[in-house]
Amino acid sequence: NAGVTQTPKFQVLKTGQSMTLQCAQDMNHNSMYWYRQDPGMGLRLIYYSASEGTTDKGEVPNGYNVSRLNKREFSLRLESAAPSQTSVYFCASSRQGTGQPQHFGDGTRLSIL
Amino acid sequence: DAKTTQPPSMDCAEGRAANLPCNHSTISGNEYVYWYRQIHSQGPQYIIHGLKNNETNEMASLIITEDRKSSTLILPHATLRDTAVYYCIAVPINAGGTSYGKLTFGQGTILTVHP
Repeated sequence: NAGVTQTPKFQVLKTGQSMTLQCAQDMNHNSMYWYRQDPGMGLRLIYYSASEGTTDKGEVPNGYNVSRLNKREFSLRLESAAPSQTSVYFCASSRQGTGQPQHFGDGTRLSIL
Repeated sequence: DAKTTQPPSMDCAEGRAANLPCNHSTISGNEYVYWYRQIHSQGPQYIIHGLKNNETNEMASLIITEDRKSSTLILPHATLRDTAVYYCIAVPINAGGTSYGKLTFGQGTILTVHP
């Protein structure tokens, strides 16, 4: 049981390049989330998708776009990468419903030069 | 969303109980208390959650005060592998009773378990 799978695990980009981070879950969860974590900080929500076909902004959405491709997959796109977007990106998923915990992937470590 | 306050760091001897406190004095009636931990920059791992009753699972126990203004996560027999950052989070439930589960992470408590 893979859970939440993120690809790639590591990436280095140059300023201005674009990139899509991929996330897939095999737990039949309705809700999916993208977070970023900067050094020494807690996670911050970028975007989330409460159910297939819907997406909403989180705390720090600027510079990002998302696509809920289907129930399993939720991608995060950086259209024009900036050094301030250097971070570790985590994808998570959960069932909808009261008190459902989130399950996290292992993260994508992204450096932008 | 209610703000939570945790001590920045704590130490615990291996085999002893680790008691991690969390203050959430502004928590509202429709917010759960969740605990997650993050080991060595891995993705956060869910531990336990509760609304107003004490909860126990295979990982930990959660004690919530009667006024719900604070809680304590208890790891009954800490091991070296429990060294991690522990996050206490208040999670809102919408009026319909369905949680969108949006998590707001603070700085957490760095728990170091010593041999």
